[in-house]
Amino acid sequence: GAVVSQHPSRVICKSGTSVKIECRSLDFQATTMFWYRQFPKQSLMLMATSNEGSKATYEQGVEKDKFLINHASLTLSTLTVTSAHPEDSSFYICSASGVNTDTQYFGPGTRLTVL
Amino acid sequence: GDSVTQMEGPVTLSEEAFLTINCTYTATGYPSLFWYVQYPGEGLQLLLKATKADDKGSNKGFEATYRKETTSFHLEKGSVQVSDSAVYFCALSYNTDKLIFGTGTRLQVFP
Repeated sequence: GAVVSQHPSRVICKSGTSVKIECRSLDFQATTMFWYRQFPKQSLMLMATSNEGSKATYEQGVEKDKFLINHASLTLSTLTVTSAHPEDSSFYICSASGVNTDTQYFGPGTRLTVL
Repeated sequence: GDSVTQMEGPVTLSEEAFLTINCTYTATGYPSLFWYVQYPGEGLQLLLKATKADDKGSNKGFEATYRKETTSFHLEKGSVQVSDSAVYFCALSYNTDKLIFGTGTRLQVFP
């Protein structure tokens, strides 16, 4: 099946710094990528949807200037958390879908801890 | 708005026991319904789906039936195995681009 990877799997940073998370589709071309955030014992919340070569579409309440999303190629999307604060600590999960599939394939997630 | 509600876990069972994980939804239209599974240390995987009322999704011994009258999509398996231990997510979508998830239910199966 289709494989999606994320890097890093865990990251710890200081408050005020920026962190970049990568999401890669390893064996298919991802025309659409999604970024989710998951709090402990809570649902996955969609943050934004990105299409290759286009600006991301953010969900209501998600600060686009804080969570920068880039989908520059058909196999890579990045999420940059700018000026991170402790309340940004969370589990971030990406998923990807291709041209001829109606299924989203998920990455393993990235645990972000902001001190 | 649309939402998905799952039973809280963890669900703890002995091997070969019968499994039910309840899922109900609130929707303004007629969504497709999904069950995703997340094994330890891995990403979410699609387990099964149903696209319209009365459809039954099935995979790996798991089944779920889209019940419009009760707005439910309960996950069942007749005989669980230790390897089924994971977190199970119920979700809905009107098109496959946007998924709305439940909170997830952890299943623990002991030998």
